[in-house]
Amino acid sequence: DTGVSQDPRHKITKRGQNVTFRCDPISEHNRLYWYRQTLGQGPEFLTYFQNEAQLEKSRLLSDRFSAERPKGSFSTLEIQRTEQGDSAMYLCASSKAGTGASYNEQFFGPGTRLTVL
Amino acid sequence: LAKTTQPISMDSYEGQEVNITCSHNNIATNDYITWYQQFPSQGPRFIIQGYKTKVTNEVASLFIPADRKSSTLSLPRVSLSDTAVYYCLVGQRGAGTALIFGKGTTLSVSS
Repeated sequence: DTGVSQDPRHKITKRGQNVTFRCDPISEHNRLYWYRQTLGQGPEFLTYFQNEAQLEKSRLLSDRFSAERPKGSFSTLEIQRTEQGDSAMYLCASSKAGTGASYNEQFFGPGTRLTVL
Repeated sequence: LAKTTQPISMDSYEGQEVNITCSHNNIATNDYITWYQQFPSQGPRFIIQGYKTKVTNEVASLFIPADRKSSTLSLPRVSLSDTAVYYCLVGQRGAGTALIFGKGTTLSVSS
């Protein structure tokens, strides 16, 4: 399967613990995005990379959140000192820039569902 | 960014055509209209995109009137597997930045 993959698919943690999620984008895609989705809402943008550069961060991305994309391949999203309000589905998406294809078509992974107890 | 408004939910039966309308009164000249579909416990999936008039692919049709202040996603002969949330998004082509999702329209298809 050459789609976007995310690991783990589910994570249960206690409040105050740190968690890290991984996203592997489609191999030829140079753009990678992180979104967060809570129940009944659409996905909310968190941050975006072009290659290894983090180009945009949402105000939703507090100091407890950090994302990296070393070497412009896979990405990690870390949440430090988790809070119950961090419980959500964390989605990763990738796209290919400059192809002239359809508007910024982003390919989403299956998500990581985080539950903070 | 142009804001979109769409119905919260719709119900249909198998075999019927479903039309979901989205309002985007403040759409900009360079904006395109894109629809995504999301099944439970999955990420959203691109369905269709258009700028004006009509676009059709193997999944759906998108109708956009001349003033572009609204658009209609048309799903022909829906099946149970079309039960999902459908999001209407407006933004510039190739912008390469965040997709702005609203709450979407939850379509429930019954037999």
